[in-house]
Amino acid sequence: QQQVKQSPQSLIVQKGGIPIINCAYENTAFDYFPWYQQFPGKGPALLIAIRPDVSEKKEGRFTISFNKSAKQFSLHIMDSQPGDSATYFCAPTETGTYKYIFGTGTRLKVLA
Amino acid sequence: GAGVSQSPSNKVTEKGKDVELRCDPISGHTALYWYRQSLGQGLEFLIYFQGNSAPDKSGLPSDRFSAERTGESVSTLTIQRTQQEDSAVYLCASSLAEGLGEQFFGPGTRLTVL
Repeated sequence: QQQVKQSPQSLIVQKGGIPIINCAYENTAFDYFPWYQQFPGKGPALLIAIRPDVSEKKEGRFTISFNKSAKQFSLHIMDSQPGDSATYFCAPTETGTYKYIFGTGTRLKVLA
Repeated sequence: GAGVSQSPSNKVTEKGKDVELRCDPISGHTALYWYRQSLGQGLEFLIYFQGNSAPDKSGLPSDRFSAERTGESVSTLTIQRTQQEDSAVYLCASSLAEGLGEQFFGPGTRLTVL
């Protein structure tokens, strides 16, 4: 778990705000960088993921920014909605291995 | 099936009893993972199966924990002589093969040890 540091631990934003969640890693062999979203009482579900050949990926209101030299990647949620209130986990891994190192999670609350 | 299923969804047991938690992965997924999530915490890796073999059991907290998988399908996580610190949500996930991207998670089993 020390290989992955996720911040902040919790975040409260107003509806329409742009929460940003960060994930820093140590292992330079990681080549798959996903973010998972977990609602209370449910298992995590893949939200968006990026490979290191691009610096940014956008899917709807969700964007991943990847900085290879800094060994970190971030999740941005545009025009956040109360329905985005959930816990978000980064889980970088190396293709061909089975070890997913999950961050400690960020609990996001979007106020109506 | 359509997704990963786990049973039971909730389990309350007394300290010292044994419990079995079941996971049915998505059909065709050769890789299966067990995680533990304590209240408000991240995911703690427990064990990984490739097919019916478990190459890495290093995440199991103690020898009271064991897991098996049969028919490259259903998996069972067994906790013997449960302790109060075993109380957590136990999550199962599967993927097509190891390290190929997305893991699909089940809804978890909430275990409470009194």
